[in-house]
Amino acid sequence: GNSVTQMEGPVTLSEEAFLTINCTYTATGYPSLFWYVQYPGEGLQLLLKATKADDKGSNKGFEATYRKETTSFHLEKGSVQVSDSAVYFCALSDLGTGGGNKLTFGTGTQLKVEL
Amino acid sequence: KAGVTQTPRYLIKTRGQQVTLSCSPISGHRSVSWYQQTPGQGLQFLFEYFSETQRNKGNFPGRFSGRQFSNSRSEMNVSTLELGDSALYLCASSGDRGRYNEQFFGPGTRLTVL
Repeated sequence: GNSVTQMEGPVTLSEEAFLTINCTYTATGYPSLFWYVQYPGEGLQLLLKATKADDKGSNKGFEATYRKETTSFHLEKGSVQVSDSAVYFCALSDLGTGGGNKLTFGTGTQLKVEL
Repeated sequence: KAGVTQTPRYLIKTRGQQVTLSCSPISGHRSVSWYQQTPGQGLQFLFEYFSETQRNKGNFPGRFSGRQFSNSRSEMNVSTLELGDSALYLCASSGDRGRYNEQFFGPGTRLTVL
């Protein structure tokens, strides 16, 4: 079945540091890939997405490129801020046996950014 | 547009009881999915409903069930609660416009089973 593996946290960085959170996936077919972010006490927010190989998703300074050859979708940001502190989830979308929506998530990586 | 709403936000139950959680999707969205989030198992897909029909199902026991109404609002029910059912239950709605369907998540219902 489908699976997503992402680096374990917590990741602690100083403000303005470079961020990379690794994500690799296993899937049949051609899934869409996502990064979601979860702030304390809240649900998930879509951060960025890529729907086909070599697509680059970007939002709020975060970027990730869909690499089919390495089955990866690593999240990067050039300069993190304290406000980026949250849990980040990599996910893939499987159309499911019924043709609908089903997200498979990684375990999440907690990011803490300090001044 | 109003976002996905879930009620109640917090719930405390005891073992053996049953519980019903509610989700109202974004207006116009016909697909509603449910996920369970726990520290040990992470985020796991429960089921998806589309136009009042269950379209996909995850690997959860039959104690977990759901339904969707004609206005796309959805409920999920857990019967004979166990301590391990303590979790954040997230609902997500989607516009279902083809292969890629962005899912919008609600704030979740935090269920505690004592």
